[in-house]
Amino acid sequence: AQSVTQLGSHVSVSEGALVLLRCNYSSSVPPYLFWYVQYPNQGLQLLLKYTTGATLVKGINGFEAEFKKSETSFHLTKPSAHMSDAAEYFCAYTGTASKLTFGTGTRLQVTL
Amino acid sequence: DAGVTQSPTHLIKTRGQQVTLRCSPKSGHDTVSWYQQALGQGPQFIFQYYEEEERQRGNFPDRFSGHQFPNYSSELNVNALLLGDSALYLCASSPGQGNDGYTFGSGTRLTVV
Repeated sequence: AQSVTQLGSHVSVSEGALVLLRCNYSSSVPPYLFWYVQYPNQGLQLLLKYTTGATLVKGINGFEAEFKKSETSFHLTKPSAHMSDAAEYFCAYTGTASKLTFGTGTRLQVTL
Repeated sequence: DAGVTQSPTHLIKTRGQQVTLRCSPKSGHDTVSWYQQALGQGPQFIFQYYEEEERQRGNFPDRFSGHQFPNYSSELNVNALLLGDSALYLCASSPGQGNDGYTFGSGTRLTVV
């Protein structure tokens, strides 16, 4: 069965530091992978997506992610954290079924 | 361009009651999916509607049912509410299969007391 694992339920970084949020997936078919961000009391906003083609994907707000098939990973990075990046981040997967399977989320805290 | 619109934003119901949540998809989107997000959890897929038919269903009991109208808007109905149904209910829309990503609404916060 397909699944998504996000390592680290809470990540804390200093403002200006590198952000790295980890995501691994399990799938028997080629995946479509997504990162979503959720601010308190709000819905989910799409940050970036991997469907086919280039494995390094750039998204909004300076985030990017790299699809590594050999490692079944899709880690999210941002070179320099900003206070406004503090939120909950969800990695999600879909294969041929079209429904999204989400990880349990990673709460990003950004400190001064 | 309006995105996905959900109503109401908040709702309080008593155990055993029934509730209906509504969703208007983003313009140009014909597929609507519903997700349940319990506190501190990732969203869980409930079901997906396309061309007014339920195309896929997640691991939710029959108390959860839905409908899609000709204008692509959708309703989620939950009967015989349980305390455990308290959650944020998210509607997501997409053109077609959704492999290009879904647009989510802000959700309906349902509290069952």
